[in-house]
Amino acid sequence: GESVGLHLPTLSVQEGDNSIINCAYSNSASDYFIWYKQESGKGPQFIIDIRSNMDKRQGQRVTVLLNKTVKHLSLQIAATQPGDSAVYFCAENSGGSNYKLTFGKGTLLTVNP
Amino acid sequence: KAGVTQTPRYLIKTRGQQVTLSCSPISGHRSVSWYQQTPGQGLQFLFEYFSETQRNKGNFPGRFSGRQFSNSRSEMNVSTLELGDSALYLCASSPTNRGPDGEAFFGQGTRLTVV
Repeated sequence: GESVGLHLPTLSVQEGDNSIINCAYSNSASDYFIWYKQESGKGPQFIIDIRSNMDKRQGQRVTVLLNKTVKHLSLQIAATQPGDSAVYFCAENSGGSNYKLTFGKGTLLTVNP
Repeated sequence: KAGVTQTPRYLIKTRGQQVTLSCSPISGHRSVSWYQQTPGQGLQFLFEYFSETQRNKGNFPGRFSGRQFSNSRSEMNVSTLELGDSALYLCASSPTNRGPDGEAFFGQGTRLTVV
């Protein structure tokens, strides 16, 4: 069935380092991908998205890379800060022109001061 | 601009009861999706509504249902509650009907506990 999985359930980094969070997806028909950040007690917060016709997209301190050949997504966070500590989810839209997000299990990022 | 509003924030129900959760999307957003989040299964898609029509449905039993009103507000209902229905229920709204031309914005969720 459709699934989006994360290789690492936890990631611990030092403040100021760069972080890389990886994600594998299985539905080759998915054409839109999103990274979300979820802090304790809150709903997921949009970080960055990418369409399947792109392989890289940059935001403020974040970059998403998409490798369709191996069905792999990654989120890079530059100069990681303590406020970046959260669970990060990748999601793929498997609903075609409609919204039907399939989420990965999540990676807990801990930033040590 | 107000965000996605979900009410109530917390609910405690007894097995066998039913529950209705409410979601008010961001003004102007016409697509509303519902997700269930549990520690074991993560975030799972329940259903998506646009213009009062259910467009997509996840793999949940018929006890889970929803609807959308003409003002885009949405409700989901769970009947005959089971202990396993304890979860954080999240609602997300998005702006367009032409596909994901904008990210889905999530509310803070309703924490449902079934005892």
